[in-house]
Amino acid sequence: EDQVTQSPEALRLQEGESSSLNCSYTVSGLRGLFWYRQDPGKGPEFLFTLYSAGEEKEKERLKATLTKKESFLHITAPKPEDSATYLCAVHNAGNNRKLIWGLGTSLAVNP
Amino acid sequence: SAVISQKPSRDICQRGTSLTIQCQVDSQVTMMFWYRQQPGQSLTLIATANQGSEATYESGFVIDKFPISRPNLTFSTLTVSNMSPEDSSIYLCSARTGQETQYFGPGTRLLVL
Repeated sequence: EDQVTQSPEALRLQEGESSSLNCSYTVSGLRGLFWYRQDPGKGPEFLFTLYSAGEEKEKERLKATLTKKESFLHITAPKPEDSATYLCAVHNAGNNRKLIWGLGTSLAVNP
Repeated sequence: SAVISQKPSRDICQRGTSLTIQCQVDSQVTMMFWYRQQPGQSLTLIATANQGSEATYESGFVIDKFPISRPNLTFSTLTVSNMSPEDSSIYLCSARTGQETQYFGPGTRLLVL
């Protein structure tokens, strides 16, 4: 069964303390892995799409990487404004309609 | 990319009434979707909105409860019918461009009393 698991569920960092969020997946034929940021009460904001193992993408303090089994979202020197829930989703080859979502990692960055 | 707007942004409704949520995309997109997100939970797909034909519903969601229209490539509506407090949630419109990426609207926060 296709599945996406994110860890940890929650993470609290001090400002400037770098860390990584994990998204492990089991799908039959990966067509894309997506990272989103979601602030409370708002819709998910698109961050990255990764298509193949070895691919990396960066945006400001965020860097996403992909292997055949998992993806990491690295946060370098985070700031309080990076506090949000980070969602991972995958799109498999067999189901054109539906993204398979993880439950998210809630990140809090303390000043 | 695609910029998506939703109306209303929030509403408080009485049990037994219906609410229609509008979704407008700033460019033509290949697919449009409606999601529900309960507090503290991840996203649940309600249905895929098909242009000019009936929406494709996921298990647990039915047309009588969540009628959907998509008259053109950039606009869709979701109606939440005969509402109960269990329908209180955030409803999200989403659109997929020619590439795989899906973009989301800001959401409609619905509270049913």
